[in-house]
Amino acid sequence: RKEVEQDPGPFNVPEGATVAFNCTYSNSASQSFFWYRQDCRKEPKLLMSVYSSGNEDGRFTAQLNRASQYISLLIRDSKLSDSATYLCVVKAGTASKLTFGTGTRLQVTL
Amino acid sequence: DTAVSQTPKYLVTQMGNDKSIKCEQNLGHDTMYWYKQDSKKFLKIMFSYNNKELIINETVPNRFSPKSPDKAHLNLHINSLELGDSAVYFCASSQGGPEKLFFGSGTQLSVL
Repeated sequence: RKEVEQDPGPFNVPEGATVAFNCTYSNSASQSFFWYRQDCRKEPKLLMSVYSSGNEDGRFTAQLNRASQYISLLIRDSKLSDSATYLCVVKAGTASKLTFGTGTRLQVTL
Repeated sequence: DTAVSQTPKYLVTQMGNDKSIKCEQNLGHDTMYWYKQDSKKFLKIMFSYNNKELIINETVPNRFSPKSPDKAHLNLHINSLELGDSAVYFCASSQGGPEKLFFGSGTQLSVL
């Protein structure tokens, strides 16, 4: 079983739609969770951290469910510029490395 | 100013050759990394250095040798290149823990 699993997509949604991605992780000792965004042929960039209580940053909402070992990312009012691959990222306990999922591709269309 | 810069951006070479990729960061971070992203877009850590000391060495063939002359630089030398080494190699840096990584723009390595 992969350490971090994501539906690869692509998710094709019209502008203005709301879209949600889930990600599951296998290591119950995981402590820190993040969403990174990677545009085509570019480097990954941190989108947001995911806190136990859930957190929101503008149109983006991230949530964590420790019991079921999954995290989610909700994007409201999708923009064309949101088209990218969204990488679910996990850090286990005191580990000094991040484990990346293979990403979910989002394509927002007119 | 580019925060994490790596060169070259593209590297096309023959099997069996030796090549190097250079990385520099001007963020003042104490930790630097090399990640490999394969054709399936799986991003996997290879090495991590903290203040010039190797702290992570994943299961990477010993044909790959990182070198950190100072905490702002982390280079990757690859000997006897193989077809399977073709991938995008990303350098990254962070301060303290790995939670917030700043990536370079990547080096697309193609081994023919």
